[in-house]
Amino acid sequence: GDSVTQMEGPVTLSEEAFLTINCTYTATGYPSLFWYVQYPGEGLQLLLKATKADDKGSNKGFEATYRKETTSFHLEKGSVQVSDSAVYFCALGQGGSEKLVFGKGTKLTVNP
Amino acid sequence: SQTIHQWPATLVQPVGSPLSLECTVEGTSNPNLYWYRQAAGRGLQLLFYSVGIGQISSEVPQNLSASRPQDRQFILSSKKLLLSDSGFYLCAWTVGMNTGELFFGEGSRLTVL
Repeated sequence: GDSVTQMEGPVTLSEEAFLTINCTYTATGYPSLFWYVQYPGEGLQLLLKATKADDKGSNKGFEATYRKETTSFHLEKGSVQVSDSAVYFCALGQGGSEKLVFGKGTKLTVNP
Repeated sequence: SQTIHQWPATLVQPVGSPLSLECTVEGTSNPNLYWYRQAAGRGLQLLFYSVGIGQISSEVPQNLSASRPQDRQFILSSKKLLLSDSGFYLCAWTVGMNTGELFFGEGSRLTVL
């Protein structure tokens, strides 16, 4: 079945550092790919998404590019802030389905 | 605006006791509703989803059940909890437009002792 693999956390960075959180997937066909974020004490919320190969999703300074050849959707940000501290989940969905398959999540802590 | 509420936020229950987690969505009608669980060291796992009142689909065999007695109410239940039921339970809703965007509640943390 479909699956998502994220890099193991936790990840700890200093403010203004560059962030990469790796995400790879296994799926049949051409899934849509998502990054969700969970800030402390809150529910998950959609951060960005890409629906086809080579699409780039972006939001709040975060970016991720749908790479079909490497089955990857790595999350990047050029300069993280303390407020970016959260748990980040990579996910995929098939054929527009809302029954998403999630990775385990990666906890990011940004220190001032 | 739409909101989603889950309760209780935290629950500690003995093995063999019953469970009821409730989720309510406001500000929308006929949402698709979902229960996910995050167990320690594992990703979010879809447990149940519902496209309408009384319509429940189970994704994995387990000790839990779900019900949708009203359009915007989704309940997760168990008659007898197991240790393996411990985890973080998240309710979510969508408008059913297949956008892939789920709107999550804040979660309920269940510890079974």
